[in-house]
Amino acid sequence: GAVVSQHPSRVICKSGTSVKIECRSLDFQATTMFWYRQFPKQSLMLMATSNEGSKATYEQGVEKDKFLINHASLTLSTLTVTSAHPEDSSFYICSARSVNYGYTFGSGTRLTVV
Amino acid sequence: AQSVTQLGSHVSVSEGALVLLRCNYSSSVPPYLFWYVQYPNQGLQLLLKYTTGATLVKGINGFEAEFKKSETSFHLTKPSAHMSDAAEYFCAVIFPNTGNQFYFGTGTSLTVIP
Repeated sequence: GAVVSQHPSRVICKSGTSVKIECRSLDFQATTMFWYRQFPKQSLMLMATSNEGSKATYEQGVEKDKFLINHASLTLSTLTVTSAHPEDSSFYICSARSVNYGYTFGSGTRLTVV
Repeated sequence: AQSVTQLGSHVSVSEGALVLLRCNYSSSVPPYLFWYVQYPNQGLQLLLKYTTGATLVKGINGFEAEFKKSETSFHLTKPSAHMSDAAEYFCAVIFPNTGNQFYFGTGTSLTVIP
């Protein structure tokens, strides 16, 4: 089946630094990537949608300058949390959409900003 | 307005008992319906989905769900709970003409009592 590799699974960073999270579709091409954020014991909230080679579309209330999304190829999308602060600590999950496999979720990244 | 609702944020069942997790949606047009399971600090795993066709859908790990248009429901069931079923379960929908965006329910935490 389709697999989306998301790295890192856990990251701890200092306040003010930037963190990059990668999502890579293995053996298939993802026409669209979705990025979600999940606070403890809450549901997933869509942050942004990106299509390969295009600028990401951000949901209302999501700062595009803080959460930089790059979808440079059909197999790789990255989310960079810039100038991270403790309130950015969360669980981030990507999802790749493809014609053949539908939606496939990554395993998530636990970000802790100290 | 379109929405998805999971009744019961926490459900406890005894091992071997029936599992019933409820999901209702609000939409004038039937959406695509999904159930996902999430284990601690992991991504989402698809249990089953309904798009068209047979309204009773069988998924992995012995789970099944039935789409009932008249009740706008897509409840998840399993005849006999196993300890390994303890996890967070999310109902998700894609409403037609919304750009293939997932809308997640708030989740139900399932506890299995030995």
